[in-house]
Amino acid sequence: EAQVTQNPRYLITVTGKKLTVTCSQNMNHEYMSWYRQDPGLGLRQIYYSMNVEVTDKGDVPEGYKVSRKEKRNFPLILESPSPNQTSLYFCASSLGRDHYEQYFGPGTRLTVT
Amino acid sequence: KNQVEQSPQSLIILEGKNCTLQCNYTVSPFSNLRWYKQDTGRGPVSLTIMTFSENTKSNGRYTATLDADTKQSSLHITASQLSDSASYICVVKRGKLIFGQGTELSVKP
Repeated sequence: EAQVTQNPRYLITVTGKKLTVTCSQNMNHEYMSWYRQDPGLGLRQIYYSMNVEVTDKGDVPEGYKVSRKEKRNFPLILESPSPNQTSLYFCASSLGRDHYEQYFGPGTRLTVT
Repeated sequence: KNQVEQSPQSLIILEGKNCTLQCNYTVSPFSNLRWYKQDTGRGPVSLTIMTFSENTKSNGRYTATLDADTKQSSLHITASQLSDSASYICVVKRGKLIFGQGTELSVKP
């Protein structure tokens, strides 16, 4: 089944404790991105990747890192999480940046205390 | 001011009724406009995608319209079902995707 998977789905952590949210797609998509969704603000892009070893900042990159060592994986790293990073995170992928169809993962709900 | 504004913010309708959700945008030019459905706790799923030159696109009971002159799009849902309860998000693509804040639809029996 074609899909985007994220792990973990739920995470509660404390300020400053490094964490990684994994994202994997099995559709051989070149383009992958991370979004956060907050009430009243809609979805905002954090980082995106056009292909392996090519990443770039989205609208809200502060406090996040990403890497794209393999085509299928695009982990999101929070080196020192803070409470304002409490949010619902989505990974998405598509054939290309300008391709119509973007597939979203199931989401990761992160709480930083 | 948001570049993609949706109305209403929330809507409650009875099962079987029709409804229309609105999207006003200021993004211009753009390559396509999309409507997504997002069930609670799930990722958004694409319903329709229209280029700037299209003015209507259907997907089952969902019909999206686009008026490039007034910079408005609407999503019409026919014969609503309980499973239509979700957030509906209007998205305009200009290079990157620009998301509206969504309309929360609740369909009651």
